[in-house]
Amino acid sequence: QITLKESGPTLVKTTQTLTLNCTFSGFSLSTTAVGVGWIRQPPGKALEWLAFIYWDDDKQYSPSLQSRLTITKDSSKNQVVLTMTNMDPVDTGTYFCAHGSGWLLDVWGKGTTVTVSS
Amino acid sequence: ENVLTQSPGTLSLAPGARASLSCRASQSVGKNYLAWYQQKPGQAPRLLIYHASTRATGVPDRFSGSGSGTDFTLTVSRLEPEDFAVYYCSQYATSPWTFGQGTKVEIK
Repeated sequence: QITLKESGPTLVKTTQTLTLNCTFSGFSLSTTAVGVGWIRQPPGKALEWLAFIYWDDDKQYSPSLQSRLTITKDSSKNQVVLTMTNMDPVDTGTYFCAHGSGWLLDVWGKGTTVTVSS
Repeated sequence: ENVLTQSPGTLSLAPGARASLSCRASQSVGKNYLAWYQQKPGQAPRLLIYHASTRATGVPDRFSGSGSGTDFTLTVSRLEPEDFAVYYCSQYATSPWTFGQGTKVEIK
């Protein structure tokens, strides 16, 4: 059974850097065609894709946020880390990580809520 | 990027009714790599349909997906009380992955 769990600070200040962890089980990021993606959702709004890291360390980023995002993986620890710099109140929302089967995001974590405040 | 536009924004239907949700892409979705997700308040999205028409594991057969190219539809043949939720389409054929703005299916 594939499970993912997001963790990180619930509150960050404006201009700070956000670091989120995605800890998973039930699959290996060393397996061909497997990946992990990050998606966020502002309160009451739609989903927004942020980044994706593939088993071979290929990385994809949202063009509008690319300068602020870094995604890395530690396959031995079954973890994926997303960092987002220069946080702003508009970055407030729920952040999800999800298992990628190929590029399909098929199993999602429950999400972690982040509030950005000055 | 491939912009997805969902319609209608809100669908008000009674239990037992048939629901048809539309998703239109600004560019053709390669290999029909189009997915549908269901999201209930306070929960993560749940994958319902992928490759435009393949039901995910455990998804009831009242949910069906159709379409190709730029026009896709999610149909719920008979709405059950647990089906009232927000539905998102998403394309995963090209980076950046994109999502539609969602269709809320509410009880009439």
